[in-house]
Amino acid sequence: DTGVSQDPRHKITKRGQNVTFRCDPISEHNRLYWYRQTLGQGPEFLTYFQNEAQLEKSRLLSDRFSAERPKGSFSTLEIQRTEQGDSAMYLCASRKETEFSYEQYFGPGTRLTVT
Amino acid sequence: AQSVTQLGSHVSVSEGALVLLRCNYSSSVPPYLFWYVQYPNQGLQLLLKYTTGATLVKGINGFEAEFKKSETSFHLTKPSAHMSDAAEYFCAVDTGFQKLVFGTGTRLLVSP
Repeated sequence: DTGVSQDPRHKITKRGQNVTFRCDPISEHNRLYWYRQTLGQGPEFLTYFQNEAQLEKSRLLSDRFSAERPKGSFSTLEIQRTEQGDSAMYLCASRKETEFSYEQYFGPGTRLTVT
Repeated sequence: AQSVTQLGSHVSVSEGALVLLRCNYSSSVPPYLFWYVQYPNQGLQLLLKYTTGATLVKGINGFEAEFKKSETSFHLTKPSAHMSDAAEYFCAVDTGFQKLVFGTGTRLLVSP
């Protein structure tokens, strides 16, 4: 069990550029979640997958955001035409659906800065 | 809708003093409750959780929390603060809708 990993850890981009983040969950965890955390706030839910199916999306996830989990393993989060308001920490978490503890395991996050 | 309120964005204690971080939740169904800790530029680490059973739960690093349904609270405590406890603490609730709802966090400052 190597934990949830995210890549890159930091990303600086110019407004209007596209960015893509990757999340590798703990193996055998079939639930994968994306959260966004802005400065001074708690994480806010963006979307989650059960295996490869995207089951829920938050209203925070505008049309510029897209997430995929093509083979039910790793996931990517893409932001198109970035805006300064997209600057935040993007957190990924995973859990095993069969567990009843509802515990989610978080990765280290990707910090996005849009200049 | 489910929500979490953490009273006090900053809490300052002296090393060796009692730590008390407050969390109140709003939920129409029995909740699952969590406390996470976040160190600078890192992800979240689970401190403890309440799902069912005993209402006093113990976690890592000497922390514990008590679920009080009548008060809709889940306050986090530690008898004696250590310098290494300085971090941001988040209370979260999962009401079975498959996502965590977090509070805004409390930054714990520990002075020597």
